Amino acid sequence: QSALTQPASVSGSPGQSITISCTGTSSDVGGYKYVSWYQQYPDNAPKLMIYDVSSRPSGVSNRFSGSKSGNTASLTISGLQAEDEADYYCSSYTSRSTHVFGTGTKVTVL
Amino acid sequence: QVQLQESGPRLVKPSETLSLTCTVSDGSISSYYWSWLRQPPGKGLEWIAYIFHTGNTNYNPSLKSRVTISMDTPKSQFSLKLSSVTAADTAVYYCAACGGDCYTVDHWGQGTLVTVSS
Repeated sequence: QSALTQPASVSGSPGQSITISCTGTSSDVGGYKYVSWYQQYPDNAPKLMIYDVSSRPSGVSNRFSGSKSGNTASLTISGLQAEDEADYYCSSYTSRSTHVFGTGTKVTVL
Repeated sequence: QVQLQESGPRLVKPSETLSLTCTVSDGSISSYYWSWLRQPPGKGLEWIAYIFHTGNTNYNPSLKSRVTISMDTPKSQFSLKLSSVTAADTAVYYCAACGGDCYTVDHWGQGTLVTVSS
């Protein structure tokens, strides 16, 4: 299974909105509503931010939102804050009942 | 909140077998699917395998020939064995939980760095 494709980096100024894309195939992103997004700070475990394409776990800021169109999922961070600077990974359930992750995106707050 | 803790050797020699155990501390071993994932230094995440208490397992096709995942329910532990390791298997290894039918990896352990080197 091939990794999902994400941009290597995305940046924005405080208060702006940014969007991270995650492109897969009809066997993963396009075929299921089970896309997740994770936030990871250096030397820390990933934290679940979005699941089932657009649902937020309890405690996650509503500045984080997810969507999907065809084989591409997206994570939008609104009202960008310094604390949002981290690596972000998408993940999808697949037709083989496995999980595949994205290549990762480094978010920089200017 | 599920609590997970990885344990095992931090240094493994090339061609040998990497063995890790994850201990689940809240008694929920029969309530979730249990996964192993890894992240090479400076690189992205990779899902390795999952197991359910019924014995149902699934593996990443690219690693399947070298991986075994198992569970010891009375000890609230599950384990990973990765055979014939090379330097490319050097990574932070995470154990994790997913609920329901395991569509999402919900809860992660803190991770443990395993280095493959002679």
